[in-house]
Amino acid sequence: DAEITQSPRHKITETGRQVTLACHQTWNHNNMFWYRQDLGHGLRLIHYSYGVQDTNKGEVSDGYSVSRSNTEDLPLTLESAASSQTSVYFCASSSTGTSGGADTQYFGPGTRLTVL
Amino acid sequence: SQQGEEDPQALSIQEGENATMNCSYKTSINNLQWYRQNSGRGLVHLILIRSNEREKHSGRLRVTLDTSKKSSSLLITASRAADTASYFCATDLNQAGTALIFGKGTTLSVSS
Repeated sequence: DAEITQSPRHKITETGRQVTLACHQTWNHNNMFWYRQDLGHGLRLIHYSYGVQDTNKGEVSDGYSVSRSNTEDLPLTLESAASSQTSVYFCASSSTGTSGGADTQYFGPGTRLTVL
Repeated sequence: SQQGEEDPQALSIQEGENATMNCSYKTSINNLQWYRQNSGRGLVHLILIRSNEREKHSGRLRVTLDTSKKSSSLLITASRAADTASYFCATDLNQAGTALIFGKGTTLSVSS
């Protein structure tokens, strides 16, 4: 069965370190997304990609970067981790809607990141 | 950026009762989606309603969309304890793409 996976599921790191969170999907979806979820803020879009070599900034992109070298993977990198980036991170993917607008997104299980 | 805002933030009901959650958004949309999140898990898609649709059903779920008021509602009939979760509405980030903007969610608690 197609799925979307994230690794690691839990990560503790120190302020200033570079951290990369992995996201892998086997849906063959063109679109992939990264969100962070914090109490009181819901889900906020960090970066997204509509295909290989395409990346776009979301609502809260500062301090994060992504690259898309193949269809299946969209790793999220925190260049220099800060305590404010302690959060739960979700990756999602979707196909391109056939009649305009966003299609159903399929979410990974999340990565809980703690920055000390 | 536009964002769906759910109301109420929290809702507590008894099993068998109906639960209604509302979502308001700011700008024109192509479609609106509802998702559920069980504690500690990823989001799961429930239903998508397009801007030219007014009502949609899926099992015990009924979604309405009023584009003139820029609002949507999610009705869960005959609630069960297993419906306990957070519910989010999501709208297009913009008319041209497929990214979504999520609201902050409604936390539903169904007690037996």
